[in-house]
Amino acid sequence: DSGVTQTPKHLITATGQRVTLRCSPRSGDLSVYWYQQSLDQGLQFLIHYYNGEERAKGNILERFSAQQFPDLHSELNLSSLELGDSALYFCASSASGGIEVLTFGAGSRLTVL
Amino acid sequence: EDQVTQSPEALRLQEGESSSLNCSYTVSGLRGLFWYRQDPGKGPEFLFTLYSAGEEKEKERLKATLTKKESFLHITAPKPEDSATYLCASPNNAGNMLTFGGGTRLMVKP
Repeated sequence: DSGVTQTPKHLITATGQRVTLRCSPRSGDLSVYWYQQSLDQGLQFLIHYYNGEERAKGNILERFSAQQFPDLHSELNLSSLELGDSALYFCASSASGGIEVLTFGAGSRLTVL
Repeated sequence: EDQVTQSPEALRLQEGESSSLNCSYTVSGLRGLFWYRQDPGKGPEFLFTLYSAGEEKEKERLKATLTKKESFLHITAPKPEDSATYLCASPNNAGNMLTFGGGTRLMVKP
């Protein structure tokens, strides 16, 4: 157990739907990162939050949004889902806002049918 | 654009057959080179961070080395339990995200 908790572990939904993935960082960590991993793309950076503020954005689609709450947990919202959004979504946390070792959660596997 | 490239994409070894994985990067002003191990269906697990050319770090059968343009992960006398995907990553120039390579899928046969 890495200390980073992601829910749900698995999610199956239909095209056009909206889902929310949740992440609780390790105790004491202020940064949360979201990554998408699909078979043909590898690990792709989506977004980074530090202590509630957005710090960096990767190639995140406009249909996707995220936020980090005052208790430091984070949610990734995916809307108007397409088949190509099927992937593993990982959350990682670190203690500060700078680059250091990231601790990853077990991921949320999203299947869009 | 910051790039991290790993080779080979896949590597099959017999148990005990040593080999090396390569990670090349184009980020200027390197702020660290990270190695992770990922088992199927699980999140990446941190192995090493290297910060300067010539630096080496070891853990059991794994040794990571760093030059100015690339890093190697040497696997000595691997065992089947070393089978996994090995990922390397480097921070971008702004230092606010990690860019990952595509990974090397290692399979060690008994």
